[in-house]
Amino acid sequence: GQQLNQSPQSMFIQEGEDVSMNCTSSSIFNTWLWYKQDPGEGPVLLIALYKAGELTSNGRLTAQFGITRKDSFLNISASIPSDVGIYFCAGSYNNNDMRFGAGTRLTVKP
Amino acid sequence: DTGVSQNPRHKITKRGQNVTFRCDPISEHNRLYWYRQTLGQGPEFLTYFQNEAQLEKSRLLSDRFSAERPKGSFSTLEIQRTEQGDSAMYLCASSLSVSHYEQYFGPGTRLTVT
Repeated sequence: GQQLNQSPQSMFIQEGEDVSMNCTSSSIFNTWLWYKQDPGEGPVLLIALYKAGELTSNGRLTAQFGITRKDSFLNISASIPSDVGIYFCAGSYNNNDMRFGAGTRLTVKP
Repeated sequence: DTGVSQNPRHKITKRGQNVTFRCDPISEHNRLYWYRQTLGQGPEFLTYFQNEAQLEKSRLLSDRFSAERPKGSFSTLEIQRTEQGDSAMYLCASSLSVSHYEQYFGPGTRLTVT
């Protein structure tokens, strides 16, 4: 089962607002990743983090690898309607068994 | 199109039937993964291959499930004697072994067992 707690479960925001979501784990991870999934499609990789404390940006998206190695957050600035979707965090510790959170469903109102 | 492809996209089958799904990874990727995703959950790891070798299998992969990657390129996932609990989205992903955490997913095969 899932070992990652992702919050919030859902968010309803106005276009232009900033968004923040996070993921916590009971275990230490060496890698954190963030994916976005649109309905009926597979997840798309947004950002990969490999080092505790690392802060990485991809356009309007910024993600950080927590210094405890048990958490990560994703921020989206100036949201637009196409940001709608489900955002998943995923973590792994030196193996190939990547664990996913249950997702944060984002709705952006124009 | 150089992404991961999966076929079929949708499959409806009756309980007890066998089904097989196919995944074609990104051509230069030597790692291939299978995941299962149920409604409201994230993907759950099932198994992965490096080239043609199946290197890891999850406890979720019951005896009714088998996966192959005979030539190290495409892969198939077969479910025998399907049960209603097998209804889910089956996702395939691929990666390069040097950056294996950066997995690229296909669109998935949605299985409905009636």
